[in-house]
Amino acid sequence: IVMTQSPVTLSVSPGERATLSCRASQTVNTRVAWYQHKAGQAPRLLIYGASTRATGIPARFSGSGSGTDFTLTISSPQSEDSAVYYCQQYHQWPPGYTFGQGTKLEIK
Amino acid sequence: EEQLLESGGEVVRPGGSLRLSCAASGFTFSNYAMTWVRQAPGKGLEWVSSTTGSGRTTYYADSVKGRFTLSRDNSKNTVYLQMNSLRVADTALYYCAKGVATLAPDFFDMWGQGTRVTVSS
Repeated sequence: IVMTQSPVTLSVSPGERATLSCRASQTVNTRVAWYQHKAGQAPRLLIYGASTRATGIPARFSGSGSGTDFTLTISSPQSEDSAVYYCQQYHQWPPGYTFGQGTKLEIK
Repeated sequence: EEQLLESGGEVVRPGGSLRLSCAASGFTFSNYAMTWVRQAPGKGLEWVSSTTGSGRTTYYADSVKGRFTLSRDNSKNTVYLQMNSLRVADTALYYCAKGVATLAPDFFDMWGQGTRVTVSS
């Protein structure tokens, strides 16, 4: 299953809603996770099950979608949200999981 | 506190071998499938290999199948990635990640800081 993210880069102002998209090449139901990855740090789980926030994740992060189309929304981005965001499907197992190519989010 | 600490990354010649380790703490290690994910320079995340909680079953990406071997020692709370016949394309930062279930990782709720592998002549 190929996961395609768009846009490749996104630049928003603080407080301006950021919408990141992820499309699967075939249905993955709601078995999608989202991660935040800052340079030099470990990736951090944000969302699983397409819409469930992981422990400790701020409410400004939300996920939606099912089937093949998924969205990560950051309602009021802060400067610390600048990072690369990846979606991952865990519907097809085995043979293995696949990640999207990432969306780089810049908070201007 | 839950923690994953990778080690073993270094510079190696093409065709060489390397063993990565990932030491876990703060959770019941044998209850969770463990995974290696890598990130090549300037690229995104790539799933490499996973093992079930018992270690009886392992899975590999096609790109490493037959060259990499994943194992775990639940008595030492450690997972290992033996990497043979290394290629320049294996150059990457290798992350150890904890799954959320025993038989299949599903998604990853904890990651290490990564260990860097450079394959170069």
